[in-house]
Formats: sequence, C-alpha cells, structure tokens
Amino acid sequence: GAGVSQSPRYKVAKRGQDVALRCDPISGHVSLFWYQQALGQGPEFLTYFQNEAQLDKSGLPSDRFFAERPEGSVSTLKIQRTQQEDSAVYLCASSPDRGPGGYTFGSGTRLTVV
Amino acid sequence: AQSVTQLDSHVSVSEGTPVLLRCNYSSSYSPSLFWYVQHPNKGLQLLLKYTSAATLVKGINGFEAEFKKSETSFHLTKPSAHMSDAAEYFCVVSEAGTALIFGKGTTLSVSS
Repeated sequence: GAGVSQSPRYKVAKRGQDVALRCDPISGHVSLFWYQQALGQGPEFLTYFQNEAQLDKSGLPSDRFFAERPEGSVSTLKIQRTQQEDSAVYLCASSPDRGPGGYTFGSGTRLTVV
Repeated sequence: AQSVTQLDSHVSVSEGTPVLLRCNYSSSYSPSLFWYVQHPNKGLQLLLKYTSAATLVKGINGFEAEFKKSETSFHLTKPSAHMSDAAEYFCVVSEAGTALIFGKGTTLSVSS
C-alpha cells in the first residue's frame, strides 16, 4: 500500500485481557519497528525486525509483550494480561533499508486498558 | 548512551513571527539527527534529517535546522510561522543506524 497501515485504530481492553495489534508495512520494506508512545511523551523503541528476523527486542517492557513478523511483511504486537500501564499509542514504522532515514510511520493504535 | 533533550516543552508564537525549537543531543559517535512533527491524531511525519553531510539542513514546509557539533545542538527554525504549523515536534537521534531515540517533544502553538 501507499503507507504503513495499523489496525485497529483504537482498542479498549479490560485489565488481564490479551490484545493483538497489527502492522502492515509498505510493500518491500525490509525493516519494521514498533514504538510505544505514552500520553505526553515521545515514542519509545520496543523492537526491530529485519525481514522476518527480530534483531532487537531490548525495548520490550516485560515478557508479556511479544512481537512477530513470520513472513517478513505483516507484523503483530501481542500483549498478554494487559495492565493499566500498557495504555499508550503503539506506533509501527517501516523502512526500505537498515538505516533510520527512510522511516515511514503508521497512524498508530491507541490502546486503553480499563 | 545517546539521548536527546528538548529544552522547551511548550513554545507559543504569533503567526508570521519566527519559530525556534531547541534541541541538544548526547552521542558517543557521529549521530544522525532528525526532526519529526505530529499533528493531532495523525502519524509522525519527517521534517528533515542530518546524516553528516551539510550542517544546515532544509526540510519541508520552510523548516530548517543547523547541526552544531561544538554545542551538541540541532535547533529547528522557521522564518515565519503559519497557523498550520501548530503541532507536536520531536527531536530524534540515531547512533546505531536502527532505533530512533525521541525527545519528549515540544508543543508549538501559533496564534493569529
């Protein structure tokens, strides 16, 4: 597609529920990144894929967070047993190469845990 | 470790007056530096980037930034603000060529 597509746009989850957030990168983009943006803060890095390989997951805040990109295209960020502190906008970005200069961000998924 | 400090959380200007958004960075190596803009309920948009070429970088919508290594600064400027410039602005550093490190953001308000 023309841009990075994320779904759902909004998600409300009850505390303890599992959620799955989807990212459709720009076709052919090698690199894919997930960021978490809490209210009033800048985005913070979660994890990075190059094709299907997850090369960096140092930003995932706990083992309740899991990301995958099995065919090197669509990626899913899964959060198990959601907590209120997980409430944030989750941003996906893709890039045609390894460098950061070609990032295109999606509009994000706003997760609210109640 | 790399980091970014945006010196003002909120900047207010009048339409037609200059804009200055300040950013200092910390990096052990030659960094790549970026400014992104985020309008309400919209995705992040790249304004401009510095990647060790010319120190004065021109971006979209009349914005520019100057990389000053001696001052570890990368301030964003625009000669004349427009109402449509009102948004959240993020200064960003990347050292390892992959993950971007964002500042906390500066909210720009433009009054008529």
